[in-house]
Amino acid sequence: QVQLQESGPGLVKPSETLSLTCTVSSGSISGFYWSWIRQPPGKGLDWIGYVYFSGSTSYNPSLKSRVTISVDTSRNQFSLKLSSVTAADTAVYYCARHGPNNWEFDYWGQGTLVTVSS
Amino acid sequence: DIQMTQSPSSLSASIGDRVTITCRASQSISSYLNWYQQKPGKAPKLLIYAASSLQSGVPSRFSGSGSGTDFTLTISSLQPEDFATYYCQQSFTTPGFGQGTRVEIK
Repeated sequence: QVQLQESGPGLVKPSETLSLTCTVSSGSISGFYWSWIRQPPGKGLDWIGYVYFSGSTSYNPSLKSRVTISVDTSRNQFSLKLSSVTAADTAVYYCARHGPNNWEFDYWGQGTLVTVSS
Repeated sequence: DIQMTQSPSSLSASIGDRVTITCRASQSISSYLNWYQQKPGKAPKLLIYAASSLQSGVPSRFSGSGSGTDFTLTISSLQPEDFATYYCQQSFTTPGFGQGTRVEIK
């Protein structure tokens, strides 16, 4: 059973950069696409972007200018950086795997709350 | 951008009821439609992929149908553990989610 675990600061100051890492265990990061998804408190799910194990990426156009997603296959990890954050970026951030069937999200991390506040 | 619209936004139902949630795409997405269940404080859980394929381990009371622009998630007999929020997600292009449907106890 593949497991994903997000890690990183739970509090980020406005205008700074949010940085999170997702560690994949009980499975290889190779051969799959991996995404970051966020959910503001009380709201719906918002896809941020994905990275392929080879390093290719795609981002949500609404966040593209501020987002960087990267992969480290040697550590079985992928990471998210979101720059120039504001209070609107306060959310639970999830990492997830794109499955082999219909590009569905078949495995998810438990999520980590990131609050943007001074 | 493909927009996904779910209806209703919320519904109240009783144990044993048949529940139907619909999801409409702003353009054809073939069968690139997935359904998730989310309980408070938890990550979403995949229920249905490719519009109608049941994810391993998911109870058979959940079913999905549709193709093109109109899709349906049906719970044949609502159980206490099914009270949650349900999301559709298109995987035809870069991923996008519906706004969610909250299923509450009547």
